[in-house]
Amino acid sequence: DAEITQSPRHKITETGRQVTLACHQTWNHNNMFWYRQDLGHGLRLIHYSYGVHDTNKGEVSDGYSVSRSNTEDLPLTLESAASSQTSVYFCASSAAAQGDSEAFFGQGTRLTVV
Amino acid sequence: GENVEQHPSTLSVQEGDSAVIKCTYSDSASNYFPWYKQELGKGPQLIIDIRSNVGEKKDQRIAVTLNKTAKHFSLHITETQPEDSAVYFCAAPESYNTDKLIFGTGTRLQVFP
Repeated sequence: DAEITQSPRHKITETGRQVTLACHQTWNHNNMFWYRQDLGHGLRLIHYSYGVHDTNKGEVSDGYSVSRSNTEDLPLTLESAASSQTSVYFCASSAAAQGDSEAFFGQGTRLTVV
Repeated sequence: GENVEQHPSTLSVQEGDSAVIKCTYSDSASNYFPWYKQELGKGPQLIIDIRSNVGEKKDQRIAVTLNKTAKHFSLHITETQPEDSAVYFCAAPESYNTDKLIFGTGTRLQVFP
């Protein structure tokens, strides 16, 4: 069965370190998204990609970067981790469908920055 | 761009009662409105969606209604069960025909036996 997986599931890192969260999907979806989930804010979009070599900033992109070298993967990098980036991160993918495509989410990565 | 507001933030009901969660959106051109359910420790999962050419859609105990004039849509859960306890998110595309979803802030539903 097709799926979307995130790794690691839990991560503790120190302030200032570079951290990369992995996202891998086997749906062959063109669209991939990274969200962060914080209490009171719901799901906020960090970065997204509509295809290989395409990346775009979301509403909370400062301090994060992504790259899309193939269809299956969209790693999220925190260039210099800050305590404000402690959160639960979700990756999602969807088929390109001009606005009405189901998004499939990974299980999430809980990141703690100390 | 689209703005989605969701109410209430928490909702407690007795098993067997109905639950209603409401969302408003700002872009009158929006044409797709999904609802996602997030169980503890898991990622959100689509439970029902509605497109702008219909006013209501039902799937067993859940239904979604859409009022395009007022720009709001609602999730209705009837005969609630403890397994309905979860966080529910509404969403809408950022703009017409885009695949980028803007989510509401979520509603934590608790169903008490």
